[in-house]
Amino acid sequence: EVQLVESGGGLVQPGGSLRLSCAVSGFTFSRYSMNWVRQRPGEGLVWVSRIESDGAITTYADSVKGRFTTSRDNAKDTLYLQMNGLRADDTAIYYCARGPMVGTSTGAFDVWGQGAMVTVSS
Amino acid sequence: QSALTQPPSASGSPGQSVTISCTGTSSDVGRYNYVSWYQQHPGKAPKLMISEVIKRPSGVPDRFSGSKSGNTASLTVSGLQAEDEADYYCSSYAGSNFYVFGTGTTVTVL
Repeated sequence: EVQLVESGGGLVQPGGSLRLSCAVSGFTFSRYSMNWVRQRPGEGLVWVSRIESDGAITTYADSVKGRFTTSRDNAKDTLYLQMNGLRADDTAIYYCARGPMVGTSTGAFDVWGQGAMVTVSS
Repeated sequence: QSALTQPPSASGSPGQSVTISCTGTSSDVGRYNYVSWYQQHPGKAPKLMISEVIKRPSGVPDRFSGSKSGNTASLTVSGLQAEDEADYYCSSYAGSNFYVFGTGTTVTVL
């Protein structure tokens, strides 16, 4: 069964840091690009970041660029989101989502994790 | 990186059809055939319903269909059923490995 499981969420003070993990199973992780998508309470989905299958290229939404870093360990089948300089408006559920397999282009996120809640508050 | 525009709400009676629009720009929806649609029930993770404008993943009922004209994409749900009541989001590839989601539409089955 294809599965994505996020962990690492929690309560952090403004200006603090947190690292989310997304452990995958059921597919060849190293052959897929991966993404982070967030959803503030009661609001819509917002794309946050994308990383290529080999980790060579990462892209970020303007709202997190310079503060968040996406990485992956293909040997451990795990995706990471390092979040620094956290602000109250970063409070959200963070989902990891699988992108297209290498060599294909669909622009779609076909598998999603259950989400990890991050709360930034003093 | 402005969000794609969707109507906040849409509704229909069981068995009827509802169509949701998703308006972007010539830099995203209008430029790429990489428009996707996601269904999200309360407290759940989103689920892919349509990819590449018109393609239905395995397991998605054929009551769901997608289309695109210019800078606007649409999702049509035919033969509405109670379980179709959910939030729906479009998304589009926006070039240079960037993506953008729509503002979301709440579909109510009357």
